[in-house]
Amino acid sequence: GEDVEQSLFLSVREGDSSVINCTYTDSSSTYLYWYKQEPGAGLQLLTYIFSNMDMKQDQRLTVLLNKKDKHLSLRIADTQTGDSAIYFCAEDTGGGNKLTFGTGTQLKVEL
Amino acid sequence: SAVISQKPSRDICQRGTSLTIQCQVDSQVTMMFWYRQQPGQSLTLIATANQGSEATYESGFVIDKFPISRPNLTFSTLTVSNMSPEDSSIYLCSVGGRGGPSTDTQYFGPGTRLTVL
Repeated sequence: GEDVEQSLFLSVREGDSSVINCTYTDSSSTYLYWYKQEPGAGLQLLTYIFSNMDMKQDQRLTVLLNKKDKHLSLRIADTQTGDSAIYFCAEDTGGGNKLTFGTGTQLKVEL
Repeated sequence: SAVISQKPSRDICQRGTSLTIQCQVDSQVTMMFWYRQQPGQSLTLIATANQGSEATYESGFVIDKFPISRPNLTFSTLTVSNMSPEDSSIYLCSVGGRGGPSTDTQYFGPGTRLTVL
């Protein structure tokens, strides 16, 4: 099956780093994505990584990919209150332009 | 990316009625998708809206319950028919094949929050 799992909840203090983890099962995925969903809003594409990369950095965001373990993580440096949201990882499941989404991690940033 | 709008943004409906949700994109796109996000859950793909042909439904979703139209490359509608409280969800449209690293990259509309009483 195609299950993408994430921890449900993460709480950090403002200014600290946040690390959100994701495990996936489809080893044929070409791209893996991170989306952000703020309360009452749709999904915003945050960043992505190509499957033959180990790491991608984009300003405060760092994506790490361990393809052997099928593990993806998103690190947010200097986390701010505006980063409070639900974060979804997603993988393309190959062919048909389908995405499979993770269960979502709710990030709460405390002052 | 693409600018995607949905109407209505939210609605409260009575059971047994139907609601049609519209999705409008600011440019022509190849792929349009409809998702459901039940309260506290992740996204589940309902169907792929194909221009000029019938939508392709995922397992567990049927055309009679969720009829979809795609009259052109910038517009699609999803109807939630004969609603029950279990249909209370956020319904999101997304588009693919428009920018991003690959044609699989999807951009989402703001969603329609549906409550069925």
